[in-house]
Amino acid sequence: DAGVTQSPTHLIKTRGQQVTLRCSPKSGHDTVSWYQQALGQGPQFIFQYYEEEERQRGNFPDRFSGHQFPNYSSELNVNALLLGDSALYLCASSFPASHTEAFFGQGTRLTVV
Amino acid sequence: GESVGLHLPTLSVQEGDNSIINCAYSNSASDYFIWYKQESGKGPQFIIDIRSNMDKRQGQRVTVLLNKTVKHLSLQIAATQPGDSAVYFCAEKSTLHDMRFGAGTRLTVKP
Repeated sequence: DAGVTQSPTHLIKTRGQQVTLRCSPKSGHDTVSWYQQALGQGPQFIFQYYEEEERQRGNFPDRFSGHQFPNYSSELNVNALLLGDSALYLCASSFPASHTEAFFGQGTRLTVV
Repeated sequence: GESVGLHLPTLSVQEGDNSIINCAYSNSASDYFIWYKQESGKGPQFIIDIRSNMDKRQGQRVTVLLNKTVKHLSLQIAATQPGDSAVYFCAEKSTLHDMRFGAGTRLTVKP
């Protein structure tokens, strides 16, 4: 089992650009959540996808959007990048019945210059 | 507003000693409290959780205690090993929102 895989591992973008991050959930998992982790901070919840729909959303602007595909993989899109968007972006997958045990990928380190 | 926070940012213990990591929370409506471990260069890894109607739960070498009176959560690690060195996050979850993480405590185990 490959676990949760994310791509790319590192990315450098220019302010104002757009970025797409990708996530493949752990085998058998159908729920995907995205988190932003600034350096030295805990992960902050962005949104969660289940059955190809956004089920919950954290306190992030509309510049952050996502998608879930029929095979449960997911994408995180960020438009009009700001310097403050530089962070580690984590994807986590779980079963919907699991309230607390999420399996995280290693993350994508995004640097906005 | 509601928040999850930690008492200490760093903790250093001797190998073989017991470790206690503390966490304060403010959301009385939380349904679950969870501990995650994050090693350098990796994503967080689930350790143990406790439902809000419980006050103690034990796992393998770990125990989580919940004191709802003072809104305090702790993680106890028995016989701490070098492999336990990591950043530990407490998180809370309710039916209204997904997991909210605290800032983390860095545990260093000295050989």
